[in-house]
Amino acid sequence: RKEVEQDPGPFNVPEGATVAFNCTYSNSASQSFFWYRQDCRKEPKLLMSVYSSGNEDGRFTAQLNRASQYISLLIRDSKLSDSATYLCVVSGGNQFYFGTGTSLTVIP
Amino acid sequence: DTGVSQDPRHKITKRGQNVTFRCDPISEHNRLYWYRQTLGQGPEFLTYFQNEAQLEKSRLLSDRFSAERPKGSFSTLEIQRTEQGDSAMYLCASTTTSWTAYQETQYFGPGTRLLVL
Repeated sequence: RKEVEQDPGPFNVPEGATVAFNCTYSNSASQSFFWYRQDCRKEPKLLMSVYSSGNEDGRFTAQLNRASQYISLLIRDSKLSDSATYLCVVSGGNQFYFGTGTSLTVIP
Repeated sequence: DTGVSQDPRHKITKRGQNVTFRCDPISEHNRLYWYRQTLGQGPEFLTYFQNEAQLEKSRLLSDRFSAERPKGSFSTLEIQRTEQGDSAMYLCASTTTSWTAYQETQYFGPGTRLLVL
């Protein structure tokens, strides 16, 4: 079983839409959770850390459900520039485990 | 610009040749990670260093792969006798240890894209 599982998509949404991604992880002892964004042929870049209480950064909201071992990312009012692959990342101990990524395309 | 640099950015080699990649992390970061990423997949952990010590290696890292970080600053990843299956993006990331796990954000370099013919 993979450490982190994500729906690869693709998600194709119109500008202004709200879109949500989910991610599940297998190790209940995992300590840190992140969402990274990766543009085509570029390196991953941190979008936001995910805190137990949930957190928001502008149009982006991340939630963590430890009991069900899943993480979510909500993007409101999608922009064309949000088109990218979103990677769910879980850390436990000294390793970081990445999901396969969810592809998002925002359509004009 | 995250401050992590990698060299070269692209490498084309013939099967059986050796290749070496370099990573220069953010200067105050003491942890350095190597990952491999293939199309449609997320980065897969290969190995990591804390200062000059290589503390963990993935079973993905066969005997043909070796990594070093001799002075606790830059790191090299060498692949010997390359195979076509080694074609991938090799990413380096650095972070700094912190008592608060949330602060261990990884910063990635631009990657080295390897093509083995």
